[in-house]
Parts: sequence; C-alpha cells; structure tokens
Amino acid sequence: GENVEQHPSTLSVQEGDSAVIKCTYSDSASNYFPWYKQELGKRPQLIIDIRSNVGEKKDQRIAVTLNKTAKHFSLHITETQPEDSAVYFCAASNLQGAQKLVFGQGTRLTINP
Amino acid sequence: DSGVTQTPKHLITATGQRVTLRCSPRSGDLSVYWYQQSLDQGLQFLIQYYNGEERAKGNILERFSAQQFPDLHSELNLSSLELGDSALYFCASSPRGQRSYNEQFFGPGTRLTVL
Repeated sequence: GENVEQHPSTLSVQEGDSAVIKCTYSDSASNYFPWYKQELGKRPQLIIDIRSNVGEKKDQRIAVTLNKTAKHFSLHITETQPEDSAVYFCAASNLQGAQKLVFGQGTRLTINP
Repeated sequence: DSGVTQTPKHLITATGQRVTLRCSPRSGDLSVYWYQQSLDQGLQFLIQYYNGEERAKGNILERFSAQQFPDLHSELNLSSLELGDSALYFCASSPRGQRSYNEQFFGPGTRLTVL
C-alpha cells in the first residue's frame, strides 16, 4: 500500500524567512497531494493541494511543487508569520482508487519572532 | 467551520466499554471518511463510506465498525475499548465522490479517553 514519508519532523525558522517541508510517496498510482495545517487541538485544514498533471501551484505565500519521477512533493511557505506556527501534514491519494488520504507523520513548524 | 459536525466533542470511558461517535457531513457530500489521530501514529485512515456503502477500509480493528445512514450521517462504533484506543477521531467528507475531485473537509473531532 501507499506510504508517505515527511521531513523534517520539527522546523524552527525566524519570522520572515522561508520554510520548506518535504514528502515522498511510494505508490506511483497516487495522483492527488494535499497539505493540511493543524493547530493545537483543532481540525486539519486544507491549505493547498496539487494534482499529478501539474508541477507547481501557488497561493499567495504558499506553494507546492511535485516531482512525479522522483515521487517527491514539497510545501514552501515564504515570508513566514507567527500565525504559520502549527503542525503541517502532507498526504497522498489515488483519485481513481479508494481516495483515502495517506498522511505523512507531520512537521511541527515554529516561527520565532 | 468546515460544515462537518461531530458529536460528542469529548468522551471519557473505561476499558471494555463500547462507544458510538457520530458525524454529519457537509450538505451534499456523499463520502464520509473516518481517521484516528494518536500521538505516536499520526493520522490513520480507518474507513470510507460513499452514499451508504462501504468504499474502502484501512487499518481498522475488528472491534471497530461503522455505518452510513440514508440521511448520510455516519457512526463509528468502538467496542471492547482498550487504553490504546485513546485518540482523536476525525470524520471528513468530500463532494459527491467524483473521481476527479477529492478535497476532504474535516470535522472538529471527538477526543476519546479510555481509563
């Protein structure tokens, strides 16, 4: 079955700097890759997603890149702000299959003022 | 607010007991997914229902079962509870189950504590 590895597990950056979180997946049939942000005690919230027919997607300060050949995808947050502090999860899914989300282990991002 | 509701918010019970968690999907969403989030296991997929029928199963224990009713709400039943079942249980829903679109919206979760 699908397996998603996420790195790093913790990340601390200065406010205003960029943060990058990386994920790799194992199942070449996966074709949908969402990123979720989870604040303490709250629900995961979708912040951006990408489908396998696209290499990059941007939404203001957030971007996701996908390398299908290497089975890698990454989340980039620029100009980080204190409110970006949270746990971020990547996930992979096969839209033609079960559509379940297989999540990475999560990255705890801390933005230092 | 994602539009997905879950009850109860918190549940405290003893080992060996049985509990039922309830989820109402967003209006119009036919697919419901259940996930378990524990400290050491992250977010784990349990089971998916689409329009009342089981669509996919993950690493769901035999002590756990679920169903989706005609009004599309879903219930997750956990029985013979063990300490290790303590976790946050999330329900998510997605629109219509169309294969080209799978954005999942998560509910607020039910925090289960087994003592």
